[in-house]
Amino acid sequence: QQPVQSPQAVILREGEDAVINCSSSKALYSVHWYRQKHGEAPVFLMILLKGGEQKGHEKISASFNEKKQQSSLYLTASQLSYSGTYFCGTGFNFGNEKLTFGTGTRLTIIP
Amino acid sequence: DTEVTQTPKHLVMGMTNKKSLKCEQHMGHRAMYWYKQKAKKPPELMFVYSYEKLSINESVPSRFSPECPNSSLLNLHLHALQPEDSALYLCASSQERRSNSYHGELFFGEGSRLTVL
Repeated sequence: QQPVQSPQAVILREGEDAVINCSSSKALYSVHWYRQKHGEAPVFLMILLKGGEQKGHEKISASFNEKKQQSSLYLTASQLSYSGTYFCGTGFNFGNEKLTFGTGTRLTIIP
Repeated sequence: DTEVTQTPKHLVMGMTNKKSLKCEQHMGHRAMYWYKQKAKKPPELMFVYSYEKLSINESVPSRFSPECPNSSLLNLHLHALQPEDSALYLCASSQERRSNSYHGELFFGEGSRLTVL
């Protein structure tokens, strides 16, 4: 039931755009996105709820396709600080008590 | 104050030792979590406390024993661990689910890196 993310890893030059995908085999109520830098705790970026409500980071956007059970995270004009591992987290009913994290995508931004 | 504080940051223990990991938050959150994270893997849910009561136990071995003394504190008691239990243990908290502004984002601590010899 672990969500699958793609790509597994990506290297970009500063200023380029990136898209990270998250797919689930089960119907989703919510999708969270977190970024974890090496040796640090995961940091919340974005949450998307069934029905279209969103809350998150001003420079990062995301989409949630309920029918396809997929979410995508869009990073535009990437900065060096965007480097890290991105995890989606999926909730299958109201409340996030059982948030299951995806396989992860390692993003490296180079100057 | 938007921090989740975990202690100790690093812990080395033998398989016969008893130790505890501690987590504290002062954001008024009523849900607290323990996650286990192996290198280059996503966090895996272990336990969830909601309003100081254990609400989820993800079939975690009994050598891990959680405790929630009050709404701000969460402990993880460790006893007779195995080398494969070596990992980063992350504590997290989230807002009261009954709040109108509830969205469910998790606030993580920096983690306790555990090594079992």
